Amino acid sequence: EVQLVESGGGLVQPGGSLKLSCAASGFTFSGSAMHWVRQASGKGLEWVGRIRSKANSYATAYAASVKGRFTISRDDSKNTAYLQMNSLKTEDTAVYYCTRQYPGHNWFDPWGQGTLVTVSS
Amino acid sequence: EIVLTQSPATLSLSPGERATLSCRASQSVSSYLAWYQQKPGQAPRLLIYDASNRATGIPARFSGSGSGTDFTLTISSLEPEDFAVYYCQQRSNWFTFGPGTKVDIK
Repeated sequence: EVQLVESGGGLVQPGGSLKLSCAASGFTFSGSAMHWVRQASGKGLEWVGRIRSKANSYATAYAASVKGRFTISRDDSKNTAYLQMNSLKTEDTAVYYCTRQYPGHNWFDPWGQGTLVTVSS
Repeated sequence: EIVLTQSPATLSLSPGERATLSCRASQSVSSYLAWYQQKPGQAPRLLIYDASNRATGIPARFSGSGSGTDFTLTISSLEPEDFAVYYCQQRSNWFTFGPGTKVDIK
């Protein structure tokens, strides 16, 4: 079964840092681009960023709203992707989902269950 | 940035009725459009990709159409489990989502 499990969410003060993890199983993780998408409470979905595979030089890309503050990385030996979030703002409060860019049709499938990040003093 | 607009914001229907959801892009996205379903407390699930292809395991009552800037998701006969929020997404120019259409029970 293809599965993604996020962890690492929690409460952090404005200006603080947090690192999220996304553990993958059931598919060839090393060959897949991985994305992070967030959703504020009661709001829609916002793409955060992605990391491509080793074959594509682990290229990363970010939304303008997080560029320079967030960093996506991966450890193919652990089948895990990461989202390092620095200089957090209250507007970064959201559920963060990781998702696979499905090889072949290149859409987001499947998604993890999400992890809640709350930025508040 | 490509902006996606969805209409209506809310669609109130009864089980067995036909649902028609619209997604409009601010510029052409060719056929690079997908639809996702999200139920309360759950992650989104891919329904339709490349405008008209059903994802694995998606029932035939879900269908997608359109190209360029105008797209439609149709649910031919609503089942109780179909009441949810539906998002469109484009990947023609990076990735953006529409604001969603909530399909609720009339």
